[in-house]
Amino acid sequence: AQSVTQLGSHVSVSEGALVLLRCNYSSSVPPYLFWYVQYPNQGLQLLLKYTSAATLVKGINGFEAEFKKSETSFHLTKPSAHMSDAAEYFCAVRMDTGRRALTFGSGTRLQVQP
Amino acid sequence: DGGITQSPKYLFRKEGQNVTLSCEQNLNHDAMYWYRQDPGQGLRLIYYSQIVNDFQKGDIAEGYSVSREKKESFPLTVTSAQKNPTAFYLCASSQDASGGPREQFFGPGTRLTVL
Repeated sequence: AQSVTQLGSHVSVSEGALVLLRCNYSSSVPPYLFWYVQYPNQGLQLLLKYTSAATLVKGINGFEAEFKKSETSFHLTKPSAHMSDAAEYFCAVRMDTGRRALTFGSGTRLQVQP
Repeated sequence: DGGITQSPKYLFRKEGQNVTLSCEQNLNHDAMYWYRQDPGQGLRLIYYSQIVNDFQKGDIAEGYSVSREKKESFPLTVTSAQKNPTAFYLCASSQDASGGPREQFFGPGTRLTVL
């Protein structure tokens, strides 16, 4: 079965600094990978997804993620943090066989300091 | 606007009562999902449905029940058998469950508190 590990339940950066949120997956075959963002007391919004078309994926709000098969990673980055980026971020994986529902990581809460 | 609606936004329940959470979508999606969210645990799958009149248990189905009589509706009942039902419940849908990079679209959630 696939699983997702997000390293760091809380990450704090200064406004304007690089944002790096880590995600590693375990799967015998390359899965489909997603990053979602959640603001307090709201649902999840898709940031970006990996579909095997390109290893570097660009998403909304200036975020991007790079799929690295050798490292089984799909880390999320943004060159310059903005106060509005403060939220919780979830990495998720979906396989093409078996159960096709998403499996989520435990989430990383991003704080942006002024 | 197309989307997913969940109601109510906040729900309070006494111990021993069953409650039903509503989820409706007008995206014409075949697949629908229910997740439970607890602090520090991410989202855990309760039930999912790939087509009308069919649904499967997820990872934490005990104490919950669902129905899928209409394509656009997937209500979740939290029964008195659920030992710790206080949580944030999220409903989602996707175009279909046939595979591929189909993302899920989420509703705004229902926060259930047991008094």
